[in-house]
Parts: sequence; C-alpha cells; structure tokens
Amino acid sequence: DIVMTQSPDSLAVSLGERASIHCKSSQSVLYSSNNENYLAWYQQKPGQPPKLLISWASTRQSGVPDRFSGSGSGTDFTLTIRSLQPEDVAIYYCQQYFHTPPTFGQGTKLEIK
Amino acid sequence: QVQLVQSGAEMKMPGASVKVSCKASGYIFTDYYIHWVRQAPGQGLEWVGIINPNGGRASYAQKFQGRVTMTRDKSANTVFMELSSLRSEDTAMFYCAKVSGVPGAFDYWGQGSLVTVAS
Repeated sequence: DIVMTQSPDSLAVSLGERASIHCKSSQSVLYSSNNENYLAWYQQKPGQPPKLLISWASTRQSGVPDRFSGSGSGTDFTLTIRSLQPEDVAIYYCQQYFHTPPTFGQGTKLEIK
Repeated sequence: QVQLVQSGAEMKMPGASVKVSCKASGYIFTDYYIHWVRQAPGQGLEWVGIINPNGGRASYAQKFQGRVTMTRDKSANTVFMELSSLRSEDTAMFYCAKVSGVPGAFDYWGQGSLVTVAS
C-alpha cells in the first residue's frame, strides 16, 4: 500500500497569515499517460464528514474559496491556505487515489494562534 | 443536489454483525462507485472497500477481508455495508462516499453512521 505522510501533525497560524501543509507519498501518484496527479485534499471539521477541497493535486472543487490552493507533483504535495480565516480550523487530510487501496495521510490539525 | 443519507447509530455486542445503509439521490446511482471509510474515535480515515452500484461487484481492504460484505439495491438507490464478528476496536464512524470518476476523489460523503461495539 502507498503510505501518505503529512507534516506537520499540527499547526497554529495567526488569522490572515498563510498556512502550508505538506504531504509525501511513498510512491509516485503521477500517471504519465495523462500527466495527472491522483492526489486529493479534504477538510474535516468536528462532527462532520470530510469535505473534498482539491482533486488532481491542484483543482479546487466548486464553492471552495480561492484562498485554498494545491501544488506539487509525483510524490510531494502542498496544501496552502493563503489568508487563514476562523472557519478554516479543521483537520486536513491528503489522499492518493491512483493505487488500490486508496490511502490517506494521518491528518494535520490546523488551529488559530 | 447530490446526497448520501446513511442509517442511524448502532450499538452491538462483540461477535455480532452490523449492516449500515447509504441511500443516494441527486445523480444516476449506477454511474458512480461508492466507497466505505472507517474513522475510529479521534483517529484518521481508513478505507474499507468499494462497490460498483451497477454490477454489484465489490472489493475490500485486506484488513477487512472475510468480515465485510458490500451489496446494493438498485431499485432503492442504496448500498449496504455489513461487518461481522464485531470487536471493540470496530467502534467507529463509518462513512459512505461517492467517487467523481474511476479512479476518482471522494466528492460527496454521507453524514456517517456510528457503530459502537460494547458488552
């Protein structure tokens, strides 16, 4: 199975500042035939199911604020929140869906400093 | 709008089985696979398996092989996940999630079904 490792495990950022969460996969999730990275980011708030923010490493879902962006390729990826808002407090997970089984990172807890 | 509505919380004794349902609406049920994901209290997300609502074929995580069965009822736009030989470590929230493609990210999730295993 592909192991997804996120860093850091937790992060405290001031309101209006930038937050960056990293995700590293044990194998490449880039499919050379279509040059797509099979990497997604989810946000989970307490008592709620995860919500898909970004797929294909950098494609924001409809309705997701543009302060959220994804980057990276191959085995190294980053989720960036440009200007942290109070409603962004959550746990964030990366996931690869290239190989079966799909696997998730351990999660990064984002808090307000 | 797309919705996945799951069955309610269950409390089971160790060794029993539980069957959780996930009713889909707002899209063509047979067009998109559905995954099941487990989340133990305070823990991360763990893939349980996937079912093709069209043909009914399912594939399971090795960890759950032999204990999990996924089925569907096309007439009711509903998929089911049954987990047997329950133990206390199975206490968790179980989510169903629709994929955006094959393969694809999990674009819509059910609200979750809490399964508690205790004597």
